[in-house]
Amino acid sequence: NAGVTQTPKFQVLKTGQSMTLQCAQDMNHNSMYWYRQDPGMGLRLIYYSASEGTTDKGEVPNGYNVSRLNKREFSLRLESAAPSQTSVYFCASSQWAAGGLKQFFGPGTRLTVL
Amino acid sequence: AQKITQTQPGMFVQEKEAVTLDCTYDTSDQSYGLFWYKQPSSGEMIFLIYQGSYDEQNATEGRYSLNFQKARKSANLVISASQLGDSAMYFCAMREGETSYDKVIFGPGTSLSVIP
Repeated sequence: NAGVTQTPKFQVLKTGQSMTLQCAQDMNHNSMYWYRQDPGMGLRLIYYSASEGTTDKGEVPNGYNVSRLNKREFSLRLESAAPSQTSVYFCASSQWAAGGLKQFFGPGTRLTVL
Repeated sequence: AQKITQTQPGMFVQEKEAVTLDCTYDTSDQSYGLFWYKQPSSGEMIFLIYQGSYDEQNATEGRYSLNFQKARKSANLVISASQLGDSAMYFCAMREGETSYDKVIFGPGTSLSVIP
C-alpha cells in the first residue's frame, strides 16, 4: 500500500496563477482532509470530506476549493494564488479502527507563491 | 476562538527522563476524541495516540500515555524514558463530535528537545 500520496512535492507559482494539488489514498478510507502548515505553526484545516460526494469547510477555507472526485481522491484548487498561501499543504485520510479514529498523512506539498 | 491550547512553545528534557506535554481543549460536544502527533524535522506527521471522550481508561501506546482529565478538559501527553529520537514538534488534535463527521483540528504545537 502506498498510503496517502500527494503531487506535486514542490511548486512555485506567481501571484494570480492557479493550480490543483492532488491527493490519493489506497486504504479505502471514508474521510479525507486538507491542512496547511505555516512555518513554526500547527496545522490548520482547510476543507474536509466525510465521504465521497461531500465536502465541508474547515478553519481557513477562503481562497480554496476542493473536489472529492471519488473515494480515493481529494483535490485542492487555488484559483488565484496569493503570497499568503505560501505554505506546506498536507492531505490526510482517516478511518475508525479498534482504539479509535486513526489519521494518516501524506508527505506534504511545499508551495511558494511569489 | 482557539479550541486547542498548548501553552509550552518549547520544552527540554534529559535523556531517559519522563516529560509531560500539556494540552487543553474546548468543546461542547459529549462525544469527541483527542490525538497526539509527532512531527520530526523531516516534516512527516506521525500518529502517536488517541483517546475517546467515553474511554474510561487513559490511552497508552508503548512509551506514550495520555493523561485524560475530562472535567479539566485536558489531555496531556506523557513520554516515559525520553530518547534522543523524541526531539520533534508535538501536536495535540481534537476530533469534534457527533455532527462534525470526523473533523479534526490541531493545536499550535510544542517543540521538544531531548538533551543527552
